[in-house]
Amino acid sequence: AQSVTQPDIHITVSEGASLELRCNYSYGATPYLFWYVQSPGQGLQLLLKYFSGDTLVQGIKGFEAEFKRSQSSFNLRKPSVHWSDAAEYFCAVGAPHSGGGADGLTFGKGTHLIIQP
Amino acid sequence: DSGVTQTPKHLITATGQRVTLRCSPRSGDLSVYWYQQSLDQGLQFLIQYYNGEERAKGNILERFSAQQFPDLHSELNLSSLELGDSALYFCASSTRALTGELFFGEGSRLTVL
Repeated sequence: AQSVTQPDIHITVSEGASLELRCNYSYGATPYLFWYVQSPGQGLQLLLKYFSGDTLVQGIKGFEAEFKRSQSSFNLRKPSVHWSDAAEYFCAVGAPHSGGGADGLTFGKGTHLIIQP
Repeated sequence: DSGVTQTPKHLITATGQRVTLRCSPRSGDLSVYWYQQSLDQGLQFLIQYYNGEERAKGNILERFSAQQFPDLHSELNLSSLELGDSALYFCASSTRALTGELFFGEGSRLTVL
């Protein structure tokens, strides 16, 4: 069974500083990987996804993530955070299906990002 | 705005009662997913429908059921409610039978007293 671990429950970063949120997954092969963001009172919004190819993927709002097969990781990064980035961030893994797409998503428990002025 | 509409946004009810949560997917999306979000369990996949048919089942209790109607909207029925069912219930939709990008609604917050 697939699983996702986000080791940091809370992270506090100063505005303008760089950010890295950690995500480790467990899956027998290369899964499809996703990062979602949830702002207070909102649903989840997709930031970026990795299916195959270039292991460094670019997403919306200036975020990027790097897939490292050897470390079973898919860490999310941003070079300079803004106060509006304060939110809950979820990493998710899906099992590739032979027909394309991922067969269901398993989410990590999330990392709560706090931005200090 | 994701285009996914969930009603009601908030619901307060008593133990033992039954409630129905409704979801309208994005226009053209055939797949609907239901997730439960709670502080202790995180985001748990409940069930998926594709074009009216159940496609995948996750950690859904027997007291819970769902269906997707011909107009593609979906309903999640929760019965014999317990205190532990208090959570945020999300609906998400996608164009495909298989998961790529999910578009989430804003959720229905259920409080069981």
